[in-house]
Amino acid sequence: NAGVMQNPRHLVRRRGQEARLRCSPMKGHSHVYWYRQLPEEGLKFMVYLQKENIIDESGMPKERFSAEFPKEGPSILRIQQVVRGDSAAYFCASSPTSVEETQYFGPGTRLLVL
Amino acid sequence: AQSVTQLGSHVSVSEGALVLLRCNYSSSVPPYLFWYVQYPNQGLQLLLKYTTGATLVKGINGFEAEFKKSETSFHLTKPSAHMSDAAEYFCAVSDRYNQGGKLIFGQGTELSVKP
Repeated sequence: NAGVMQNPRHLVRRRGQEARLRCSPMKGHSHVYWYRQLPEEGLKFMVYLQKENIIDESGMPKERFSAEFPKEGPSILRIQQVVRGDSAAYFCASSPTSVEETQYFGPGTRLLVL
Repeated sequence: AQSVTQLGSHVSVSEGALVLLRCNYSSSVPPYLFWYVQYPNQGLQLLLKYTTGATLVKGINGFEAEFKKSETSFHLTKPSAHMSDAAEYFCAVSDRYNQGGKLIFGQGTELSVKP
């Protein structure tokens, strides 16, 4: 059973460009979480999604960031007009249900904004 | 609101020595607590978790943690460190009563193991 997959693993963007990060949850998991890890910091929750629904986006910046988890296909975290402060590692985690406590993490996407 | 504090951003031990990584939490409801390990340039791997029941929890790679409600602590220990234990360790609490159980992480503790 494949684990959580994220791509790309590394992404370089220039200021003002768009970044799209993809996350494929583990098979049978319908709950996806996105976290951001800034340099020298712990992970911070960004958004929690179920298929076709955003459940909790309390950690998302108000502007430029959006997330989706369509009925078919991976979850996407989209950052528009990236700035240098967006440089970080972005991790996706999945779980089978909201009651299941364990979240399984992907390897992350490391975004560098030049 | 829930929070997690990890005491010591860097811990260094000798190979074979006891590993003790400290974690204190704040929660208004009975917590679910986790320890994750992160190796360089990799994702997080679950070491162990506490939900209910026995307060001493055993995890992978010889690690264990004890939930102490009176001290609001969930310290991670391993009797004998191995070189392969060098990594970053994160303690987390689950915000399980608020829309789905997002994890709230501590700042992390980097463990170094000296030969």
